[in-house]
Formats: sequence, structure tokens, C-alpha cells
Amino acid sequence: QVQLKESGPGLVQPSQTLSLTCTVSGLSLTSNSVSWIRQPPGKGLEWMGVIWSNGGTDYNSAIKSRLSISRDTSKSQVFLKMNSLQTEDTAMYFCARKSYGTYYFDYWGQGVMVTVSS
Amino acid sequence: DIQMTQSPASLSASLGETVTIECRASEDIYNGLAWYQQKPGKSPQLLIYNANSLHTGVPSRFSGSGSGTQYSLKINSLQSEDVASYFCQQYYDYPDTFGAGTKLELK
Repeated sequence: QVQLKESGPGLVQPSQTLSLTCTVSGLSLTSNSVSWIRQPPGKGLEWMGVIWSNGGTDYNSAIKSRLSISRDTSKSQVFLKMNSLQTEDTAMYFCARKSYGTYYFDYWGQGVMVTVSS
Repeated sequence: DIQMTQSPASLSASLGETVTIECRASEDIYNGLAWYQQKPGKSPQLLIYNANSLHTGVPSRFSGSGSGTQYSLKINSLQSEDVASYFCQQYYDYPDTFGAGTKLELK
């Protein structure tokens, strides 16, 4: 069945770079898009960016200058890199997929909590 | 970006009661709307897509309706397992945007 699982460091120092991995199973990255979505503690959801099935990317304009999303289809992994982290980047980070031809997130990872603190 | 205004922010209801959560978009989103349920410490789970289509496996007490800029999620006969936060998401226009959420508690 379709599964997504995020991994990465739980603690990042201010001004440093965050690197997260989303490992997927039960789906092909060449026929599904994968987005990164984050949720600060006790707050709502923010779409960060997407890597499309063709490998193209789009980013939220609010964080576009700091964000990069890439993938390794052979390993079924999607990567997020965000630089210049600040305390307001503290959040639960989720990856989620949209099936080809649909526009809603039908499968989500469990999430990984990232705290930005010195 | 399309703004999604969700109300109420919190809601307290009794078992068996019917509850309604609203989402208003800043412009017409032509039924490009999904509803998600999120339990504490868990990831969001899809309930409704295309404003009124029930996702596979979701109990029929959940329903979605609306059009244009106004949408709602209704839960009939509230069950204890429905205690959660609920979010709307518009996907009509890029970028996807979410409502701020509604926290549903038992009275």
C-alpha cells in the first residue's frame, strides 16, 4: 500500500540548513507528485512546495528563496533543503502525495518534528 | 494567493449531535476544496474532496457541500472518535492554501 515516511534531524541551529527525506513506497515518483507541508505547533498547515511527476518543482513564494526540493527516483526518495532557518521555522514537517490527475492530498507521512534552537 | 477563512476556530458538541464547520474562500474556487481530519499527534487524513465527494473508507456521517466561495463540512451523529481538528484546503488555484482549522471537542 502507499506509504510515505519523513526523516531528518529533530534539532537545527538558527541560520543552519534543514535537510529532510521523504521515503515513499507503493507508488512511483514518476507518476505522482509529492509536496512538503509544515505545521507550527498548535497552528495551521502551510504548503511549502512540490516536485511533480516530471521532476519539475514549484515553491511557496514566501519561502522560495530558501527552499529546494529534489528527488532520487531509484531510491523512491524526495528531499527538502531549506537554508537560513529561524525559530519560526519550528514545525512538524509532512510530505504528502497527490495522485496523478487529482489535486488533493490522499496520503500523508507521519511527519517529523523540527525544532530550531541554539 | 486565495485566502481560506474557516469558522468556528473551536467547537464543543455532545455525542449524537450534528456539527457544521464552514470555510469561505476569498474568491470562487469552483468546488476545488478538500476537508481533512487531524487527530493529536497524527497527520491529516482526507475526508472529502471536490467539495462533496466522500473519500474511500470515510464514514457516511461526514458530508461536504457548498459552491462558489462558501463551503461546509457536516458531521451527523457525532461520535467520540470524531474529536479532532478539521482543516479545509483549496486546490483550485496555485498555491494550495489551507484554512486555520477547527478544533472539535466533546461537551
